[in-house]
Amino acid sequence: ETGVTQTPRHLVMGMTNKKSLKCEQHLGHNAMYWYKQSAKKPLELMFVYNFKEQTENNSVPSRFSPECPNSSHLFLHLHTLQPEDSALYLCASSQDEGSGKLFFGSGTQLSVL
Amino acid sequence: DQQVKQNSPSLSVQEGRISILNCDYTNSMFDYFLWYKKYPAEGPTFLISISSIKDKNEDGRFTVFLNKSAKHLSLHIVPSQPGDSAVYFCAALPSTSGTYKYIFGTGTRLKVLA
Repeated sequence: ETGVTQTPRHLVMGMTNKKSLKCEQHLGHNAMYWYKQSAKKPLELMFVYNFKEQTENNSVPSRFSPECPNSSHLFLHLHTLQPEDSALYLCASSQDEGSGKLFFGSGTQLSVL
Repeated sequence: DQQVKQNSPSLSVQEGRISILNCDYTNSMFDYFLWYKKYPAEGPTFLISISSIKDKNEDGRFTVFLNKSAKHLSLHIVPSQPGDSAVYFCAALPSTSGTYKYIFGTGTRLKVLA
């Protein structure tokens, strides 16, 4: 399998649930990203990991908790989310930070009830 | 305040004609620009990029033009094909060392009519 794979594709959760989004990249890249896309808004950078180290937290609420166990895997742990957190969550990778090309997964469409 | 703006949420073009998608930015520190294309239920895919040292970059049917003085870039698709129907995002990267904050626009939905 090649590229960036995200699971699940769709997720519906209640505000008291705990769930995790998973991302795996098969491109040998060093940097991985979480982006959020809400309706009619630009893609918003949430977190960046470079060589497994978190290098950016773009003022994201603590109910979103990222984890990067190695350069190929990235998780986003979700707990006590709000309905306004409903969005498309996209994972991306790049060879290095700021190398110019991001490779995106297909995203997880999250609905918080 | 949005630093990268795509003021046209949608655009319809006849097949075979030229599609022109526009993007404006406010930060003069941006020095690398990218266009991404997104089909429904898929992630964005890289289309074409341009560095601030250039004013034009061409790749097949796709050409990106950069006007630094106007802080404006545009993507030209010619000839447009029905398969080009998608949402197109403009993104910019600041030149600040150690940064990797790609700033995206809100996207323009292109519909190419057969």
